Amino acid sequence: EIVMTQSPATLSVSPGDRATLSCRASQGISSNVAWYQQKPGQPPRLLIFGASTRATGVPVRFSGSGSGTEFTLTISSLQSEDFAMYYCQQYDTWPPLYTFGQGTKLEIK
Amino acid sequence: QLQLQESGPGLVKPSETLSLTCTVSGASISSSSYFWGWIRQPPGKGLEWLGSISYSRGTYYNPSFKSRITMSVDTSKNQLSLKLSSVTATDTAVYHCARRTHTSAWAFDYWGQGTLVTVSS
Repeated sequence: EIVMTQSPATLSVSPGDRATLSCRASQGISSNVAWYQQKPGQPPRLLIFGASTRATGVPVRFSGSGSGTEFTLTISSLQSEDFAMYYCQQYDTWPPLYTFGQGTKLEIK
Repeated sequence: QLQLQESGPGLVKPSETLSLTCTVSGASISSSSYFWGWIRQPPGKGLEWLGSISYSRGTYYNPSFKSRITMSVDTSKNQLSLKLSSVTATDTAVYHCARRTHTSAWAFDYWGQGTLVTVSS
């Protein structure tokens, strides 16, 4: 099983600032990594797939990068609605055993 | 517009079988373009993939659940179902159904709101 480790567990950032969230895979994987945003009482929302492609309707301030074992989600200028929980996920393995990171809580500083 | 709606008992007794249904509207569950999955989230915790199913491409389960999970599709009702047997308190979670498609490189692009299942006597 590929373990996805997110850091930090909690990130405190001021509105308007940049946020950088990290996700490390326990072994090298291709670009089959996704990032999701989840707000309380809501299901996860797909932000990024293929490590760097924004999903439909996702603002351009969200960007994803990385390869191998290191992946990053960057939010360039935080808006109030961006404070939420963020999860990375790998869907690279065959046969499928898709795993999620434990999440990073992005909170207002 | 695609919508997924989970339904089923909110309370299940230990050792019994959890049974949930996901009703899909806005897309055909039998399309070879889609996989459908179940993901759960214990209260206050992270996400766990249970399995994925495609009408034409097969079914794949998380090995952690393989001995007690069954997923199926009902094309006449455009629904997918989840059965998890021999449940314990650790199976208490919000259960989501979700879609995967090639246009999102097979990430989960649409999710249901989720349904809370509590395992308790």
